[in-house]
Amino acid sequence: DAGVIQSPRHEVTEMGQEVTLRCKPISGHDYLFWYRQTMMRGLELLIYFNNNVPIDDSGMPEDRFSAKMPNASFSTLKIQPSEPRDSAVYFCASTQRGAPGEKLFFGSGTQLSVL
Amino acid sequence: QQQVKQSPQSLIVQKGGISIINCAYENTAFDYFPWYQQFPGKGPALLIAIRPDVSEKKEGRFTISFNKSAKQFSLHIMDSQPGDSATYFCAASESFQKLVFGTGTRLLVSP
Repeated sequence: DAGVIQSPRHEVTEMGQEVTLRCKPISGHDYLFWYRQTMMRGLELLIYFNNNVPIDDSGMPEDRFSAKMPNASFSTLKIQPSEPRDSAVYFCASTQRGAPGEKLFFGSGTQLSVL
Repeated sequence: QQQVKQSPQSLIVQKGGISIINCAYENTAFDYFPWYQQFPGKGPALLIAIRPDVSEKKEGRFTISFNKSAKQFSLHIMDSQPGDSATYFCAASESFQKLVFGTGTRLLVSP
């Protein structure tokens, strides 16, 4: 398996623009997580899905952030409008409930810079 | 509110030495405590994990020590190697589903 695939790897945009981050989880995994990583706050859970249904979005910073999972193989995280403080690395991770060690598999992340 | 507090923020250890990273938590309902390792430009990857029914778990050079009464757990890396240089995150979860991470420790093992 290719692992969790995220795109783009890098995104540079201007304040006020819409940004869409994409994630393809590992086939067969029924949980998908979006995390944001910054130096100050470390890894923060934004939202997670189980069987394509959002379970907990309490970590989503504000209404500018939205996430969808239209099917088992694809999820998006959208920021509209983007702001400089959104600059961070965004990770997608997936896992299968009951997998040995309950291991999260992370993608390589999207480095977002909002100018 | 930081649910898992991690220290130190950075650590420099000589090759062959012992690296120790500490974490503390407040939520007594946490029942799963993993450590993740992250190399630059990569996502975190599971290194080792423990459940509160044991006080220690060892895998190769990596050991987790767990103190339930103190609500603390730590990662020990024995015989540290330059290849261990990475950022290490402790984490905790309740009923698995919501994994909360510490702020990370940047480890540098000098040759």
